[in-house]
Amino acid sequence: AQTVTQSQPEMSVQEAETVTLSCTYDTSENNYYLFWYKQPPSRQMILVIRQEAYKQQNATENRFSVNFQKAAKSFSLKISDSQLGDTAMYFCAFKAPNNAGNMLTFGGGTRLMVKP
Amino acid sequence: ETGVTQTPRHLVMGMTNKKSLKCEQHLGHNAMYWYKQSAKKPLELMFVYSLEERVENNSVPSRFSPECPNSSHLFLHLHTLQPEDSALYLCASSQGFGTGIQETQYFGPGTRLLVL
Repeated sequence: AQTVTQSQPEMSVQEAETVTLSCTYDTSENNYYLFWYKQPPSRQMILVIRQEAYKQQNATENRFSVNFQKAAKSFSLKISDSQLGDTAMYFCAFKAPNNAGNMLTFGGGTRLMVKP
Repeated sequence: ETGVTQTPRHLVMGMTNKKSLKCEQHLGHNAMYWYKQSAKKPLELMFVYSLEERVENNSVPSRFSPECPNSSHLFLHLHTLQPEDSALYLCASSQGFGTGIQETQYFGPGTRLLVL
């Protein structure tokens, strides 16, 4: 079974600064997918970024980028030029390509507060 | 993001009530999911439907009864719930039920349920 761990329950960052959220996972699979979702106070779960394990290049989406270290089973999210609207819970999620249920395994989340 | 909508957004019910949660997706997807999000717990997958057929029932009590009349609509019928069932219930959809990155799940805003 896969597990996803987010070791930082809460973090804060000053507006316009950079912050990195950590995520580690445990799996015996060689190919899989990783996701970061954002859940603002409105409770809508929004996809931020996704990474395919067979791709060595780290995914980027505007101010969001990941540092994917496959050997270390680490998938951290870097938010550059933090904005007040980035305040949210951030969830890391794992999906194995051969599981029957297209099931995501979520980490416990990191609450990020962006301070003005 | 209005691709996946959920109603109602908030619901308070007694333990003897019967209520239903509704989810609708406007993305042309073929798979839909119900998740439960409790405080301080990772998201829990409850049910998965693919092409209106239930393909996953994650050991959910029978007081939760899902219904998927077509690929755009998903219901969760609630009956004789317990206070510990109070949580945020999230609906999600994906293009299909396969193993690729294109099966990324997109979430609705959730229904906040309080059982008294």
